[in-house]
Amino acid sequence: SYVLTQPPSVSVAPGKTARITCGGNNIGSKSVHWYQQKPGQAPVLVIYYDSDRPSGIPERFSGSNSGNTATLTISRVEAGDEADYYCQVWDSSSDHQLFGGGTKLTVL
Amino acid sequence: EVQLVETGGGLIQPGGSLRLSCAASGFTVSSNYMSWVRQAPGKGLEWVSVIYSGGSTYYADSVKGRFTISRDNSKNTLYLQMNSLRAEDTAVYYCARVGKLEPGSYFDYWGQGTLVTVSS
Repeated sequence: SYVLTQPPSVSVAPGKTARITCGGNNIGSKSVHWYQQKPGQAPVLVIYYDSDRPSGIPERFSGSNSGNTATLTISRVEAGDEADYYCQVWDSSSDHQLFGGGTKLTVL
Repeated sequence: EVQLVETGGGLIQPGGSLRLSCAASGFTVSSNYMSWVRQAPGKGLEWVSVIYSGGSTYYADSVKGRFTISRDNSKNTLYLQMNSLRAEDTAVYYCARVGKLEPGSYFDYWGQGTLVTVSS
């Protein structure tokens, strides 16, 4: 079955750029979506179809997807960006949605 | 305004059954794809099930044969019937709307979640 691999944690200083990866076999051929989840809250969509941004999500959030890695990039990181981030794809072979294991972003 | 409100969680003994409800407002459940996603305490997100607008249903291997997703069009409500519950089913259960009518789409709206605890 298809597997999505995310680093458990990423740390970044305020004002710097955070990059969170999501690895999968030929993930570049799939549509990748990203969610932000803060403690005690439901997930929030931040990027969809690799690089589209929902209304209300700051332009600081961007995404890319190629080869075996999809990347969520957060520019000019703020304290409020500290959260868990999850990638999601659809596995057509099983008709199942899949989530990565999640990455905890820590703002130093 | 789109809203999803889950109810029905609680403490249940192993082997028991529980039905979760997700009342929707601001859109029509039957015209959309709808999913259940769960999150065990301190763990990541796990997709559970989906019901397509046409009525087709799919389940994660971990719940197939035990859980049933359904909807009541007259009440604009999504359900998850959970049978033969196990300790590993303990989680917060979220209902979520799929943003576009295609399997590879994203979850654009989520409920606040309801906690299911399976324990004796």
